[in-house]
Amino acid sequence: NFMLTQPHSVSESPGETVVISCTRSSGSIGSNYVQWYHQRPGSAPTTIIYEDNKRPSGVPDRFSGSIDTSSNSASLIISGLKTEDEADYYCQSYDNSNHYWVFGGGTKVTVL
Amino acid sequence: EVQLVESGGGLVKPGGSLRLSCVGSGFTFSDYSMIWVRQAPGKGLEWVSSITSAGSYIYDAESVEGRFTISRDNTRDSLYLQMNSLRVEDTGVYYCARRTMVAAGADFWGQGTQVTVSS
Repeated sequence: NFMLTQPHSVSESPGETVVISCTRSSGSIGSNYVQWYHQRPGSAPTTIIYEDNKRPSGVPDRFSGSIDTSSNSASLIISGLKTEDEADYYCQSYDNSNHYWVFGGGTKVTVL
Repeated sequence: EVQLVESGGGLVKPGGSLRLSCVGSGFTFSDYSMIWVRQAPGKGLEWVSSITSAGSYIYDAESVEGRFTISRDNTRDSLYLQMNSLRVEDTGVYYCARRTMVAAGADFWGQGTQVTVSS
């Protein structure tokens, strides 16, 4: 079993860039795709990145995903931050050994 | 347009049962694996259970194994979660989601249904 660790919160000013990390505790980050979900308070999650770095239609290109095998982590990059980006963001991957879906603990993004 | 609509949540006493439903539309339901994910009040997302497109394979989180049963009826485009022996810690919003074709990730989510377990 592995865990995905995210920072509890990040904050930045409008127009700036935030990077949210998601570090895998054991096994290679590259062994399964990473997804990122966005959730506003009181709303259901929505998918903003799938298969490490792909965006569903309708998701702005201000959102991007990447994988870094040297740090065994995935990152969500939000550029040109807007107030509407304030939300919780979750990374997620899959554990082949037991078929479990693994979620990170979530990161609260605050736009100052 | 892909839509997932959950129902069946409510207030139940510890030890009680509930059956959640999720109806899919806007896509060929029988082509996709489906999952249930829950969120306790003020907490993060927790995977609960998964089922493959034909229902051949089922996987459950350790926290619900032996108490919850996922199933589906592809003739009704419906996903179910039978929850027995409910505990206070099962309280939360339950979401159904569609698994992507390639990765073990979700691409569409329902709006969620609230389950409250309290005496």
